[in-house]
Order: sequence, then structure tokens, then C-alpha cells
Amino acid sequence: KQEVTQIPAALSVPEGENLVLNCSFTDSAIYNLQWFRQDPGKGLTSLLLIQSSQREQTSGRLNASLDKSSGRSTLYIAASQPGDSATYLCAVGKTSYDKVIFGPGTSLSVIP
Amino acid sequence: ETGVTQTPRHLVMGMTNKKSLKCEQHLGHNAMYWYKQSAKKPLELMFVYNFKEQTENNSVPSRFSPECPNSSHLFLHLHTLQPEDSALYLCASSQGGTANYGYTFGSGTRLTVV
Repeated sequence: KQEVTQIPAALSVPEGENLVLNCSFTDSAIYNLQWFRQDPGKGLTSLLLIQSSQREQTSGRLNASLDKSSGRSTLYIAASQPGDSATYLCAVGKTSYDKVIFGPGTSLSVIP
Repeated sequence: ETGVTQTPRHLVMGMTNKKSLKCEQHLGHNAMYWYKQSAKKPLELMFVYNFKEQTENNSVPSRFSPECPNSSHLFLHLHTLQPEDSALYLCASSQGGTANYGYTFGSGTRLTVV
């Protein structure tokens, strides 16, 4: 059974810092991995989707990497801003015919 | 607006009430999902519909009844709920009934059962 964990559960950084969020999964035979952002009480916004054949994806200040063999993905946020404060979730799709499994999320707070 | 619209945004209902949550997507996706998000818990998948057919019921109590009349609309009918059912209910859609192309989520309905 695929299990997805995210460390740390919460993170607080001063504005301007670069930071890394971690996502780990127990079964390396995944189809893709998706990073989401969730603002308090709101839905999820898709940030990046990495297919299993890819090593990384970039969008603006965000860079997500994928290492299937070690069961890990990282989300790198450059030059953090207070507006980046949110909960970040990763979700793993095991096969193309399978539903995704979500991690518990990392709550990020960027202090002005 | 993400392309997936959920109504209402907030709902307060008594334990004996009957209400429905609505989800609508105009992305041309053919799979839709209901998720439950409770405080300090991971997202829980409730139901999956693929081409209007229910393909998954994740051991959800019968007081939650989904309906998918077409690939663009999804409902969650609620009756005789319990206070522990209070949560954020999220709808999502995807191109296929799979993880293939990633998910698009709505903004959710915040449900409070009193």
C-alpha cells in the first residue's frame, strides 16, 4: 500500500529565504507526482505535475524534483514571499489507472 | 476560478436536515471525485465517477449519497449527518479517471453539522 509522508509538518521562514519541502513515498513504482498549494479553508491549486519519466519541473520561483528510486520529491521555493504562506501537499499516482494518494501537507509560514 | 465550481461555499445544517452539495466542471474532463478534508487529517477520497459511472466508494457511510447525472456535474446528497461529518468537502476532476493528467480542484464547501 502506497504511503506518502511530508516533512516537516510545519515550517516558518523569514521573507527572502530559499526553502525546500520534502515528500516521500513508500512504493517507487509511481506514474506521476503532483504538488498542490492550499490556502486556509480553500481548495487545492495545482502547482506542478511531474511524470515518472521526468526528473524535474519548473514554474516561476518553484522547482519540483523527482527521484523515484529513493521515493522522494522536493519542492524548492526561491526567494520566499509572505504570499507563499499556505499548506503544500504532494500527491502520488501509482499507475495511470489509479487514484492519487495525498500526503498530509507541510504548513509554510513566510514572515515579513 | 479553477474551472471546477462548488456550491455552496458554506453550509450549516442540523442533524435531521437534507441538503446537497454541487460540483460543476467545464474543463471537458470525464472523471470527478469527492474528497473530505477534516482538521489535521490528510485528504480522504470518498467517491470516484468515471464517465458518469461510480468506480469507487471508499467505505463511505450511506448518509452520503453521490449522484453524477453527466460528466460535468457531480452532487453529494447529505442526510442525517453527524457532527463529526463537519469538514471541508472538495470536488476534483481529471482528464481520465486516473492520475494520468493530474487533478483540478474546486474551492470546496465548508460544512458544519450542528
